[in-house]
Amino acid sequence: GAGVSQSPSNKVTEKGKDVELRCDPISGHTALYWYRQSLGQGLEFLIYFQGNSAPDKSGLPSDRFSAERTGGSVSTLTIQRTQQEDSAVYLCASSPPGTGGGYTFGSGTRLTVV
Amino acid sequence: SQKIEQNSEALNIQEGKTATLTCNYTNYSPAYLQWYRQDPGRGPVFLLLIRENEKEKRKERLKVTFDTTLKQSLFHITASQPADSATYLCALDVTSGTYKYIFGTGTRLKVLA
Repeated sequence: GAGVSQSPSNKVTEKGKDVELRCDPISGHTALYWYRQSLGQGLEFLIYFQGNSAPDKSGLPSDRFSAERTGGSVSTLTIQRTQQEDSAVYLCASSPPGTGGGYTFGSGTRLTVV
Repeated sequence: SQKIEQNSEALNIQEGKTATLTCNYTNYSPAYLQWYRQDPGRGPVFLLLIRENEKEKRKERLKVTFDTTLKQSLFHITASQPADSATYLCALDVTSGTYKYIFGTGTRLKVLA
């Protein structure tokens, strides 16, 4: 597609439930990133996929968070046993090979845990 | 510890003036530094990338400088317009050349008509 697509755009879930957030990056972009942004805060790095390399999971806040990227394209971020502090906007970005370009972000998924 | 600092206070300027936003960092040695614009309810939009060996980069009304000695980048918008009102984020690669970026908290700019 023309841009990075994220779904759903909004998700309200009950505490303790699992959620899956989806990201469809730009075709041909080898790198894919997940960040989250809490109200009034900066972007917090979560995980980074680059081609066929093992993902950089160093930003995942707990073992309740996991992500996968299938076939070098679509990625799913899963949060198990959601907590209220997980409420945030989850942003996905992709970037092309090489050094010249910045990230292209999706519009994000706003997750609210009640 | 590693830190990226942007002025958390909003910057209000008059239309037509030059807006200057600051990004300072400590305990990083980035190869690349980027600036993004973020509007409410939207994801950030990439504006400019500057490399460590570049002092200055321009794109239309935007200018970015990168001083690796001062560990600072300045972002300028000349002839500012109300449509430039947004939050501006700086980002730098956490380990030189990895393309994994860490973001500052952003500075909100408001251009008054």
